Amino acid sequence: DADVTQTPRNRITKTGKRIMLECSQTKGHDRMYWYRQDPGLGLRLIYYSFDVKDINKGEISDGYSVSRQAQAKFSLSLESAIPNQTALYFCATRGQGFDNTEAFFGQGTRLTVV
Amino acid sequence: GQSLEQPSEVTAVEGAIVQINCTYQTSGFYGLSWYQQHDGGAPTFLSYNALDGLEETGRFSSFLSRSDSYGYLLLQELQMKDSASYFCAGVSGGYQKVTFGTGTKLQVIP
Repeated sequence: DADVTQTPRNRITKTGKRIMLECSQTKGHDRMYWYRQDPGLGLRLIYYSFDVKDINKGEISDGYSVSRQAQAKFSLSLESAIPNQTALYFCATRGQGFDNTEAFFGQGTRLTVV
Repeated sequence: GQSLEQPSEVTAVEGAIVQINCTYQTSGFYGLSWYQQHDGGAPTFLSYNALDGLEETGRFSSFLSRSDSYGYLLLQELQMKDSASYFCAGVSGGYQKVTFGTGTKLQVIP
């Protein structure tokens, strides 16, 4: 089983619908991140969290919300999806401490808003 | 804010050496990471530089100069499987925020 699991892997939804992307991890890491990837724009940070009580906005949080239900689970919601939120979404985790520099990514969720 | 700039595309010949540059503007900067991403896949970690200088890991090396806000990834003995996108990522802030560059698509040709 993958250390970082994203569900669903692919999703097509209609404009105006609410949708949730889920991420779970078995690495025991405290830090979790949500990114979106668009061609030519790299990975842009949406939200990040360092424990269940700590949620921080990234560069492009407008139109998104998150929930850290447990240390191992971090969900991203689009309250009212719009077509320009069509993108590839990645969840990532990192361990605690300055020595834990490697981020581990899920396989991504390809979201299409029509 | 934070920004990391990279060339968008690089082409190199199999067996050769290629350098991918990254310049950054990041407040509270701690270090620079590099990630590789093949088409359709997830990014995977390559290296991290917290201090100035060169870090070597097999065919890949990464360099950081804090005074110049600059780093690079050096790939030696290029193989066809190295064709991928490469991202630099700045680690910053007390919460260890990770911000990615725009990515460089490397094409290795025979």
